[in-house]
Amino acid sequence: GNSVTQMEGPVTLSEEAFLTINCTYTATGYPSLFWYVQYPGEGLQLLLKATKADDKGSNKGFEATYRKETTSFHLEKGSVQVSDSAVYFCALDTSYGKLTFGQGTILTVHP
Amino acid sequence: GAGVSQSPRYKVAKRGQDVALRCDPISGHVSLFWYQQALGQGPEFLTYFQNEAQLDKSGLPSDRFFAERPEGSVSTLKIQRTQQEDSAVYLCASSNRDSSNQPQHFGDGTRLSIL
Repeated sequence: GNSVTQMEGPVTLSEEAFLTINCTYTATGYPSLFWYVQYPGEGLQLLLKATKADDKGSNKGFEATYRKETTSFHLEKGSVQVSDSAVYFCALDTSYGKLTFGQGTILTVHP
Repeated sequence: GAGVSQSPRYKVAKRGQDVALRCDPISGHVSLFWYQQALGQGPEFLTYFQNEAQLDKSGLPSDRFFAERPEGSVSTLKIQRTQQEDSAVYLCASSNRDSSNQPQHFGDGTRLSIL
C-alpha cells in the first residue's frame, strides 16, 4: 500500500534560518507528490506539487524536488520567516485524487 | 464565500449518539473527499464521491460510518452509535475533476468530541 513518512518534529528555527523537512514515500505506480500547509486556525492549503520524477514544485520561497531514485520529496526554504510557522504535511496521490498524508511536521520560527 | 464550507465547526456528543456532519463543496466541483484527522496525525482518507456516486468507501472504519451526496453537491457524513475513538477532526475536500493534477480545496473541518 501507499505510505508517507515525514521527519520527526517539531522543528524550531530562528528567523532567516534554512529549512529542510524530510519526506519519503512508498507507492505503487507513479504518484503525484504534494506539500500541504496548515496555518494556525486555518484549513489545509496546497503549498506545492510535483507530478513526475525530477519535477520541482515551488511556491512562496519553498521548493521540493521529486526524487524517484530515493523516493523522496524534501521541502526546503532558504530563509524562513515567523509567518511560516505552521504544520506541514507531505502527501501523495496515485490515482483520482485520493491523498495519503504523512503525520505532519510542526514548524515554529522565532524572531 | 467561494470555499468549501463545513458545519458545524464543533460538535460534542455523548457516546452512543448519532451525529451528522455537513459539507458544502465549491460550486461545480465534481469530486468530493472526506478525511479523518486524529490529534497530532495527518488526515486519513475515508470516502470519495464523483458527483452523486460513491466510488470509494474503503477508508470508512466501520459500518457505523455512512456518507451520502444525493444530488451531487452537498454531502453528509453520518456516524451512528458514536464511540470515543471517533473523536477527531473530519475534513471535507473538493476538486473540479477526478485527477491528481487538480488541486483539492479543503474546508476548515468539523471537530468532533465524543464524551
